[in-house]
Amino acid sequence: DIQMTQSPSSLSASVGDRVTITCRASQSISSYLNWYQQKPGKAPKLLIYAASSLQSGVPSRFSGSGSGTDFTLTISSLQPEDFATYYCQQSYSTLLFTFGPGTKVDIK
Amino acid sequence: QVQLQESGPGLVKPSETLSLTCTVSGGSISSYYWSWIRQPPGKGLEWIGYIYYSGSTNYNPSLKSRVTISVDTSKNQFSLKLSSVTAADTAVYYCARLGIAAAGIFYYYYMDVWGKGTTVTVSS
Repeated sequence: DIQMTQSPSSLSASVGDRVTITCRASQSISSYLNWYQQKPGKAPKLLIYAASSLQSGVPSRFSGSGSGTDFTLTISSLQPEDFATYYCQQSYSTLLFTFGPGTKVDIK
Repeated sequence: QVQLQESGPGLVKPSETLSLTCTVSGGSISSYYWSWIRQPPGKGLEWIGYIYYSGSTNYNPSLKSRVTISVDTSKNQFSLKLSSVTAADTAVYYCARLGIAAAGIFYYYYMDVWGKGTTVTVSS
């Protein structure tokens, strides 16, 4: 199985801050990496697919980068509506999709 | 715009079978893969499995012995059955569409449309 880890597990930031979340795979997954945002009591929302492709309708302050085993999600200027938990997910192994444990972004 | 809606009992007794249905509206179930994901209270996301509209399936090995996903194209629905449930199966269950982006010979899969989720509690 491909294991996904994320760091940090949580962070506190202020509106306007640049925020970076890291995701690491236990083996190379090329660019088969997606990012989701989840707010309390809501379903996850796709932000980024294929490591760096912005999903339609997602603000451009969100960006993704990386390939192989190391990936990052960057929010260039944190907005009030961005306080949420972020999950990475690998789709390299189509026999077993796996998610990272999540990174909670809250207000400093 | 495609929308998904989960439905089914919110309470299931231990050892019984959990049954949920996802209804697809605003689009056809054809030509896509459809997935189930769950989230135990206060925990992360776990992928359960997916089904192609033609009926081919793939399940998480950790649940494979207990899971069945089926599709009814005439009703634009797909379903989840999880047998022999225990308290560990208590979770919010989501259905989702599996989108695919092609780049040359590579195909990237991602869950681009999600239902709102339904809470299932396993308790006697």
